[in-house]
Amino acid sequence: IAGITQAPTSQILAAGRRMTLRCTQDMRHNAMYWYRQDLGLGLRLIHYSNTAGTTGKGEVPDGYSVSRANTDDFPLTLASAVPSQTSVYFCASSGDSSYNEQFFGPGTRLTVL
Amino acid sequence: GQNIDQPTEMTATEGAIVQINCTYQTSGFNGLFWYQQHAGEAPTFLSYNVLDGLEEKGRFSSFLSRSKGYSYLLLKELQMKDSASYLCAVMDSNYQLIWGAGTKLIIKP
Repeated sequence: IAGITQAPTSQILAAGRRMTLRCTQDMRHNAMYWYRQDLGLGLRLIHYSNTAGTTGKGEVPDGYSVSRANTDDFPLTLASAVPSQTSVYFCASSGDSSYNEQFFGPGTRLTVL
Repeated sequence: GQNIDQPTEMTATEGAIVQINCTYQTSGFNGLFWYQQHAGEAPTFLSYNVLDGLEEKGRFSSFLSRSKGYSYLLLKELQMKDSASYLCAVMDSNYQLIWGAGTKLIIKP
């Protein structure tokens, strides 16, 4: 692994189903983030974690949950998917670099029918 | 509320120069970032400004005026591979990034 990986790459899901999007990083970054990206809108923060064991709510947290059991993994769970959760989901992480820039995973394209 | 504004789309010619503007209103300011995002791919970091002035990095430069809530990304000697969306993001007082919707840059031969 080099950087951030996400799984699955894409998924079609029936409304009402539970789904977990996986995110793993090998850069030993403390902070991790989940965003959704919708056409015509900027990236919107769903949840974040500043360090293992802690999580926080972003701009659009409703319908999503996260956990941060260790430094490397930051899964995002949709408890009961709805069509408005159709989006591209990006996981990102940031460390102690000069700029504290965020590094992004390749994204998961989720369609809820 | 917090707001980042940038043009939706711009068109430029290969070899030319293009300037992409970004204006912002945020609760606090801890730096402004520019990212590049090719279609279907993840955003990648281009530049960071926290002090007023111009930061140059090869063909790309980024400018910041904190008093005006304004930044621009300048791309010189445009190449076809520069066709992408360019995202402006501001780090607010909570150290969270607030993102603009992005500017889609189309390069024509």
